[in-house]
Amino acid sequence: EAAVTQSPRNKVAVTGGKVTLSCNQTNNHNNMYWYRQDTGHGLRLIHYSYGAGSTEKGDIPDGYKASRPSQENFSLILELATPSQTSVYFCASGEGLYEQYFGPGTRLTVL
Amino acid sequence: GDSVTQTEGLVTLTEGLPVMLNCTYQTIYSNPFLFWYVQHLNESPRLLLKSFTDNKRTEHQGFHATLHKSSSSFHLQKSSAQLSDSALYYCALSESNNRIFFGDGTQLVVKP
Repeated sequence: EAAVTQSPRNKVAVTGGKVTLSCNQTNNHNNMYWYRQDTGHGLRLIHYSYGAGSTEKGDIPDGYKASRPSQENFSLILELATPSQTSVYFCASGEGLYEQYFGPGTRLTVL
Repeated sequence: GDSVTQTEGLVTLTEGLPVMLNCTYQTIYSNPFLFWYVQHLNESPRLLLKSFTDNKRTEHQGFHATLHKSSSSFHLQKSSAQLSDSALYYCALSESNNRIFFGDGTQLVVKP
């Protein structure tokens, strides 16, 4: 069964601190995605990747970096966290035109 | 660019009544894939149904939708709402090998 896991599941960070959100998939999908979900905005794409070593900017990349060191792992990095980045973050994997499989989400609070 | 529009942010209805959630899209590509994802409270989004065939009804778990390219629509319907249908529903569009465009979502609340 398709599996996408995220860590940590909950995170409290301080303004100006560095935050790394990790995602692992066992689907062997080439594509991986990072979204944030806020009430009234739905799912917004931050960064995505076509495979190991590649990262692409999504619709709201400012303030975020991404890293895809392997087929299985895709990280989202907030170098200088701000309160506006408080949100729920979802990682997903997918292949081609077919469905995306979402991880359980990470709830990030920046104080 | 590509986009998906869900006109209702919130739909509230009584159990047993029919459900219709609206979805329209914009794309320059002639063969888009359209999806409906469902997200229950404290869960992650999961695929409900998908289609790429014009004018063909697709069904899953009591829900159905038909892709109409002539009107760029992919509305979600169900004949009789259940309490367990209460959730956030996303319409989404994919036309290439890289990403899916999501609408803003429609919150469906079904009351007894």
